[in-house]
Amino acid sequence: AQRVTQPEKLLSVFKGAPVELKCNYSYSGSPELFWYVQYSRQRLQLLLRHISRESIKGFTADLNKGETSFHLKKPFAQEEDSAMYYCALNSGGYQKVTFGTGTKLQVIP
Amino acid sequence: DAGVTQSPTHLIKTRGQHVTLRCSPISGHKSVSWYQQVLGQGPQFIFQYYEKEERGRGNFPDRFSARQFPNYSSELNVNALLLGDSALYLCASSPRQGQPMNTEAFFGQGTRLTVV
Repeated sequence: AQRVTQPEKLLSVFKGAPVELKCNYSYSGSPELFWYVQYSRQRLQLLLRHISRESIKGFTADLNKGETSFHLKKPFAQEEDSAMYYCALNSGGYQKVTFGTGTKLQVIP
Repeated sequence: DAGVTQSPTHLIKTRGQHVTLRCSPISGHKSVSWYQQVLGQGPQFIFQYYEKEERGRGNFPDRFSARQFPNYSSELNVNALLLGDSALYLCASSPRQGQPMNTEAFFGQGTRLTVV
């Protein structure tokens, strides 16, 4: 069975400091991994996906199959980055997505 | 475009009752998925429908059922409600399935169900 682990419930960083939100997964096949973000009073939205290898709002995430990780990084945190972040894994052809428990990022001014 | 819309936004039910939650996908989106989000947890996958057929199911009891209509809107039904069914129920739509997450999933605001 697939599993997504986000070990930190809360991560507090100062504005301008680097950010790393950790995500580890367990899945026997070839995973599709994503980061979703939920800003205060807004709906859940896709931030980025590993197959696109893109940078969104300064965030990047690299899939490390050896360490089964997909950590989300940003070199310089901004106040508007404060939100709930969910790592997610799609393990099949039918959009069966497993979410982690989420990490709340708090950027301190 | 209003995005994915869900109704009602809030609902209070008594144990043992039945509930129906509704979702309207973004125009042109043919895939709808349902998730349950208990407080403090991430969303848990319940169902995915595409072209009116069930294409995926999570680990939920048979009390949970869903369907998709010709206009691609969807209903989630829960019978014999338990206190543990209290949660935020999220609906997400995307244009197609098959390469599911190569297409972005758009989430609704959710329906907050409280079972007392």
